[in-house]
Amino acid sequence: RKEVEQDPGPFNVPEGATVAFNCTYSNSASQSFFWYRQDCRKEPKLLMSVYSSGNEDGRFTAQLNRASQYISLLIRDSKLSDSATYLCVVNLNTGGFKTIFGAGTRLFVKA
Amino acid sequence: SQTIHQWPATLVQPVGSPLSLECTVEGTSNPNLYWYRQAAGRGLQLLFYSVGIGQISSEVPQNLSASRPQDRQFILSSKKLLLSDSGFYLCAWRPFEGEFGAEAFFGQGTRLTVV
Repeated sequence: RKEVEQDPGPFNVPEGATVAFNCTYSNSASQSFFWYRQDCRKEPKLLMSVYSSGNEDGRFTAQLNRASQYISLLIRDSKLSDSATYLCVVNLNTGGFKTIFGAGTRLFVKA
Repeated sequence: SQTIHQWPATLVQPVGSPLSLECTVEGTSNPNLYWYRQAAGRGLQLLFYSVGIGQISSEVPQNLSASRPQDRQFILSSKKLLLSDSGFYLCAWRPFEGEFGAEAFFGQGTRLTVV
C-alpha cells in the first residue's frame, strides 16, 4: 500500500465550480500535512498547510481527519488559473523527517 | 531569506555515462535535504533524504546514490545511467526536525533525458 494515496483524476470542471480532492495516508506517525500545487514542468509549490481544526485560505479549504487518516482540499469558485496538479504531502517523524508526496490529482478548469 | 539552487536545469546523457547533480541551500543551517524523481505524468518519488552531513537514507534501491559532503550541499550521482533514470529530479529542503510543521521548498529541478 502506498504511504500517501490520491485519486489521480483528471478532474474536468467548468469555471465557477466547486471541486474536492481526497487523500489518505497509511502511517500513523504522520505529523504534519500539506497541499502543494504543481504546474506543468515546474517544481511543486506550497498551497497550504493542513491543520487539525481545518483551515481556509480564500477559496481553498483544507480538512484533516486523523482518526480516518484522511485529508481533503476543497476549491470553491474555480478559476482557469487553478488548472494544475494538486499534491497531498505528509511529513513522517522517523528520526528525521521524511516528506512523502502523493502522486497528485490533475485538475482542468475550462471556460 | 533562504534559497535553494539546483543545477543544471536540463541534461541529456548517453546510457552508461556517469551523473552528478548538485543542490545547495543558502540562508539556513542543518536543513533536512531531499532528492525526488518525477517520471513523466507521474508523482514525486522520494529517492534519498538526509538529516545531516554524511547521513543519507535511501528509499528506493536503484542505480543512484547520494552524498552530503557539507551541511548545505546535497549531491545525486550515478556511475552508469540507465534509460529508466530519465525524469525530472527535484532537490528540496525543510528546516531541521525541530520544526516539524514546516513545509519543504524545492529547487527548480533538473530534467534528465538518458539517450
